[in-house]
Amino acid sequence: LAKTTQPISMDSYEGQEVNITCSHNNIATNDYITWYQQFPSQGPRFIIQGYKTKVTNEVASLFIPADRKSSTLSLPRVSLSDTAVYYCLVGSNDYKLSFGAGTTVTVRA
Amino acid sequence: KAGVTQTPRYLIKTRGQQVTLSCSPISGHRSVSWYQQTPGQGLQFLFEYFSETQRNKGNFPGRFSGRQFSNSRSEMNVSTLELGDSALYLCASSFTQGLTEAFFGQGTRLTVV
Repeated sequence: LAKTTQPISMDSYEGQEVNITCSHNNIATNDYITWYQQFPSQGPRFIIQGYKTKVTNEVASLFIPADRKSSTLSLPRVSLSDTAVYYCLVGSNDYKLSFGAGTTVTVRA
Repeated sequence: KAGVTQTPRYLIKTRGQQVTLSCSPISGHRSVSWYQQTPGQGLQFLFEYFSETQRNKGNFPGRFSGRQFSNSRSEMNVSTLELGDSALYLCASSFTQGLTEAFFGQGTRLTVV
């Protein structure tokens, strides 16, 4: 299993862009990268998923370099409601999964 | 449409007892996977059921078991509870196997005393 490492915490202000980098040196060929958001007393919520290069949806972008040993979740123009824990997951459809420990993002006014 | 429903939300059990947790997936979803979340170990995969069969299993002892019914509802059972089993137990459902477009429930908070 790939070992997945991400920063413990990050602080930001409303309107700024937040970038969270996840390290996964041992990523396997059939692994994909997924990011989740979790609020207290709730289950994780899917944000974005990718395999390589760049993926963008209405809430975030995911940048994956060619060697796939890391990935960066980018949250544009964060608001107070984006304060949450963000998890990086590396894994495959046969459930060989490695969750990061989570990054607590705190957005201040 | 209704989301993933887990019951009960909170549970307190004594060491040595057993517990059964329930997960009702989103209608039409056939895959249900279970996870344990603790402050120390983070999120860990327990097992996954698809069409009533356990298809994948994480690295947990045999005290942790589960099943899936024909309506895709799933139950997880933990026998001979230990203090270390205190955790948030989450289930996720998806139409196909894998965590693509999977939706998590709110979890069951189990406390073992």
